[in-house]
Amino acid sequence: GQQLNQSPQSMFIQEGEDVSMNCTSSSIFNTWLWYKQDPGEGPVLLIALYKAGELTSNGRLTAQFGITRKDSFLNISASIPSDVGIYFCAGQLYSGYALNFGKGTSLLVTP
Amino acid sequence: ETGVTQTPRHLVMGMTNKKSLKCEQHLGHNAMYWYKQSAKKPLELMFVYNFKEQTENNSVPSRFSPECPNSSHLFLHLHTLQPEDSALYLCASSQDLFRDSYEQYFGPGTRLTVT
Repeated sequence: GQQLNQSPQSMFIQEGEDVSMNCTSSSIFNTWLWYKQDPGEGPVLLIALYKAGELTSNGRLTAQFGITRKDSFLNISASIPSDVGIYFCAGQLYSGYALNFGKGTSLLVTP
Repeated sequence: ETGVTQTPRHLVMGMTNKKSLKCEQHLGHNAMYWYKQSAKKPLELMFVYNFKEQTENNSVPSRFSPECPNSSHLFLHLHTLQPEDSALYLCASSQDLFRDSYEQYFGPGTRLTVT
């Protein structure tokens, strides 16, 4: 599969701070996805992006599909302790093709 | 039960043992997936089933043998595993392989340790 580079690898922030993370690929994707994995659970889909340049929000989360189709960004505003977990980006070239995942960004939030 | 369930949640097995992992989805989906999650690595797709037919085997060693008796159940049979096979094994399902296949619902995983 295609290699996705996700950064940062980990973040340690205080409650109330905003968070930004990104994902880049050497190849284009037609769908970009962001998942969150809580400790002891499987990943849960947060946001799906379908079009280059698209900006989509889900509560305090905002994600963008990069204009080159080779990157995506996730922002979390006003972080809270329950935001703790691992955030994965994933890209899909076409429906029916495998998802390619990044290695994840581990987020820790202190009260 | 709702969503995707996996049993057991934890499994310790010796290299000569034979064991099976079970996944059940209660979402009415037709595609099911096995993933391997190792520390510091991206999720690795192992197998895909669509309407009970295996559509992908991602170069997985034969010591892993999947079985999909119906669209709701997926098994992963394990035998003569190696210590490097220790990982979290995740099951997922989606509507089917071509409709919203990106929208995969994951189970909590089975934490496998091979001694």
